[in-house]
Amino acid sequence: DSGVTQTPKHLITATGQRVTLRCSPRSGDLSVYWYQQSLDQGLQFLIQYYNGEERAKGNILERFSAQQFPDLHSELNLSSLELGDSALYFCASSLGPNTEAFFGQGTRLTVV
Amino acid sequence: KNEVEQSPQNLTAQEGEFITINCSYSVGISALHWLQQHPGGGIVSLFMLSSGKKKHGRLIATINIQEKHSSLHITASHPRDSAVYICALRRPPGAGSYQLTFGKGTKLSVIP
Repeated sequence: DSGVTQTPKHLITATGQRVTLRCSPRSGDLSVYWYQQSLDQGLQFLIQYYNGEERAKGNILERFSAQQFPDLHSELNLSSLELGDSALYFCASSLGPNTEAFFGQGTRLTVV
Repeated sequence: KNEVEQSPQNLTAQEGEFITINCSYSVGISALHWLQQHPGGGIVSLFMLSSGKKKHGRLIATINIQEKHSSLHITASHPRDSAVYICALRRPPGAGSYQLTFGKGTKLSVIP
């Protein structure tokens, strides 16, 4: 158990819908990262927060947004979902930007 | 050209064999991670390296910064080692250090 908790584990939704994925980092970790893993693209960095502030953005679509709350949990919001958004979404946390990252079990999103 | 290349892409071994997975990269890094992803999807952080060698149980990871190369070795392989092993780069501060860049992974199957 990495200490990073992601909910839900599985999510099936229809095209055009909006979903929210939740991540609770390890106790004491200030950095939260979101990654997308699709069959054709592999693992890709989406966005990173540090202590409530956005620090870096990767290949995140405009339809996607995220935030980190004062209690340090984070949410990734995916809207106007398309079939191609079906993927595993991972959250990871670390104490700081250059320390070891620990991954959650992922949320498997299926858009039908 | 991808910044990080792993080889081999697929590897089948007999139980007990010594296994080596390679990772070559073309950019400056502050650290390199080795990750393990089991068929269920969860990602486990195995090592974070910035120099030299680390050992944990039957797993050994080495890195040569000058040659931009890292290897993951598994001694006395076991069927439970069957997984995808992913190499990931952490860039230096000021060069996207907040995100990881991932290799495409090496799928290892260990046969009893």
